[in-house]
Amino acid sequence: AQKVTQAQTEISVVEKEDVTLDCVYETRDTTYYLFWYKQPPSGELVFLIRRNSFDEQNEISGRYSWNFQKSTSSFNFTITASQVVDSAVYFCALRSLGNNDMRFGAGTRLTVKP
Amino acid sequence: DVKVTQSSRYLVKRTGEKVFLECVQDMDHENMFWYRQDPGLGLRLIYFSYDVKMKEKGDIPEGYSVSREKKERFSLILESASTNQTSMYLCASRSSWDTDTQYFGPGTRLTVL
Repeated sequence: AQKVTQAQTEISVVEKEDVTLDCVYETRDTTYYLFWYKQPPSGELVFLIRRNSFDEQNEISGRYSWNFQKSTSSFNFTITASQVVDSAVYFCALRSLGNNDMRFGAGTRLTVKP
Repeated sequence: DVKVTQSSRYLVKRTGEKVFLECVQDMDHENMFWYRQDPGLGLRLIYFSYDVKMKEKGDIPEGYSVSREKKERFSLILESASTNQTSMYLCASRSSWDTDTQYFGPGTRLTVL
């Protein structure tokens, strides 16, 4: 069975603080893909990143960075120097090779206050 | 840019009505999906389609049906809407390439009274 857990339901920070969103996944498959999506108040899910299970290199994109650790089955997302525009619900998701289905976590609502 | 559009952003219907939610994608993707999103539950897959006229049940297909007569269009049908189907409905599409990303539409917030 595949499962994605985002234990943090809501996080609130003040602008310019760093914040990490946790994601833990479960799968028996050896080849899989992990994703993060952002859902701003407008409602549309915006793709942020995809990692495959063979690539454990951390990735940085501007103020965003992702830490993939297979040993702990985690794919955490850090926003550095957060801004009000980062306020959104963030979803972590998992899909196995050859599988059409994508498993989503319950989401973490991030509020960045000015 | 991939574009996935949904026919309505907001919809209000009465219990027992037949409801159609339409989704159109412009990237010639083979796969299309319907999810519902509820607080604390994330996104749950209702149905997906991997080709025209092909469909497969997701995790929560009860009370829903789908139609895919053309590659670019995937419809979700509530035969007899009930109040527990009040939710946000999200459509998505993806090519057949396994490494491809799933792209989402803006969502339809359906309220059933």
